[in-house]
Amino acid sequence: EAGVTQSPTHLIKTRGQQATLRCSPISGHTSVYWYQQALGLGLQFLLWYDEGEERNRGNFPPRFSGRQFPNYSSELNVNALELEDSALYLCASSLEQGNTQYFGPGTRLTVL
Amino acid sequence: GDSVTQMEGPVTLSEEAFLTINCTYTATGYPSLFWYVQYPGEGLQLLLKATKADDKGSNKGFEATYRKETTSFHLEKGSVQVSDSAVYFCALRGETLTSGTYKYIFGTGTRLKVLA
Repeated sequence: EAGVTQSPTHLIKTRGQQATLRCSPISGHTSVYWYQQALGLGLQFLLWYDEGEERNRGNFPPRFSGRQFPNYSSELNVNALELEDSALYLCASSLEQGNTQYFGPGTRLTVL
Repeated sequence: GDSVTQMEGPVTLSEEAFLTINCTYTATGYPSLFWYVQYPGEGLQLLLKATKADDKGSNKGFEATYRKETTSFHLEKGSVQVSDSAVYFCALRGETLTSGTYKYIFGTGTRLKVLA
């Protein structure tokens, strides 16, 4: 069974640009979570989608947004990129909300 | 609010040494507790979990016991290997009282280095 997949593996952008990160959950999982892991920091919860709806978001500005598609895959969009947005962005999925989360390998975003 | 506190790293051990990584939590209700491991350049992998008090999670020689009286979930391994070098995250899944939804809280991670 395929695990959570994320693309791209690496993404390099310049300040002010927009970044789009993608995540495909494990087959059958309906919940998708996004986390930011900045250097030296732990995981910071960004967004949670379930059944196509945004269910919860962490303490991040509105320029961090996303969506979940009918096939339960998800996109994370970061607008007006800032240098401090450079981080590893991890996606996780679970069978339904509240169940154990399984993580993808992450997308490393570098903002120059 | 809910929180998870892990011992700061890095923890450096020789091969075959005994490992303990401390994790304590604060939470309302009855959270589930998890340990995740992140190998260099990879995402997080679920290592073990416990869903109620006194449960012991175990996997790959690692163990952790859910202690409600001390609000702890310390990770232990009797004999570490070089291949165990990674960052270990303690996490809890708690229920928000207002919305009835679940939230996950992760610790800051503890880096383990095992020397041959």
